[in-house]
Amino acid sequence: EADIYQTPRYLVIGTGKKITLECSQTMGHDKMYWYQQDPGMELHLIHYSYGVNSTEKGDLSSESTVSRIRTEHFPLTLESARPSHTSQYLCASSDRLKAYTDTQYFGPGTRLTVL
Amino acid sequence: QKEVEQDPGPLSVPEGAIVSLNCTYSNSAFQYFMWYRQYSRKGPELLMYTYSSGNKEDGRFTAQVDKSSKYISLFIRDSQPSDSATYLCAMKGGRDDKIIFGKGTRLHILP
Repeated sequence: EADIYQTPRYLVIGTGKKITLECSQTMGHDKMYWYQQDPGMELHLIHYSYGVNSTEKGDLSSESTVSRIRTEHFPLTLESARPSHTSQYLCASSDRLKAYTDTQYFGPGTRLTVL
Repeated sequence: QKEVEQDPGPLSVPEGAIVSLNCTYSNSAFQYFMWYRQYSRKGPELLMYTYSSGNKEDGRFTAQVDKSSKYISLFIRDSQPSDSATYLCAMKGGRDDKIIFGKGTRLHILP
């Protein structure tokens, strides 16, 4: 089982609140990712990082922001949550040295509901 | 046209049957092909990956890639109720480092 953790697992919150979804991995992986997954839909990449102090936006436009101050930690923040942010958020990591296979290890996900 | 097409199912088969899951894609630059399994309320986990065309076998699972047809398959032999999950195909290649995922096929193995 992959050593990548996400908290909280479930979050129900009101509109306008600021939230931070936590993601940590203990594998020493350089690359980390945030995906959004809605039922019956593809995983959409919203942010990724190639290492400390590196962050990039993914393919899906998102109002969230990320930071990468430590290798093992890649939190995602929503400054003002809206109902349209309701979704499952998946964090993943991979080993830069195995870029060709790029096996991504996923966390269990955070299911966010914004009322 | 989406880069990766995958029938979302659900697909229901009796225990012990051979299951065939498929994806088609449009980007001829894709070189690496993966299958992930996702149980309910969990994150995806990598099942198999293959490079370029050909077959790869791992226990009851066989991954097949036909680049000429832009078509990949995952076969599950002697299917078990524990195989009930959503199976996502994924692929990458070319100059873009990102992995593109299919929507996933929900599979139910009936005891």
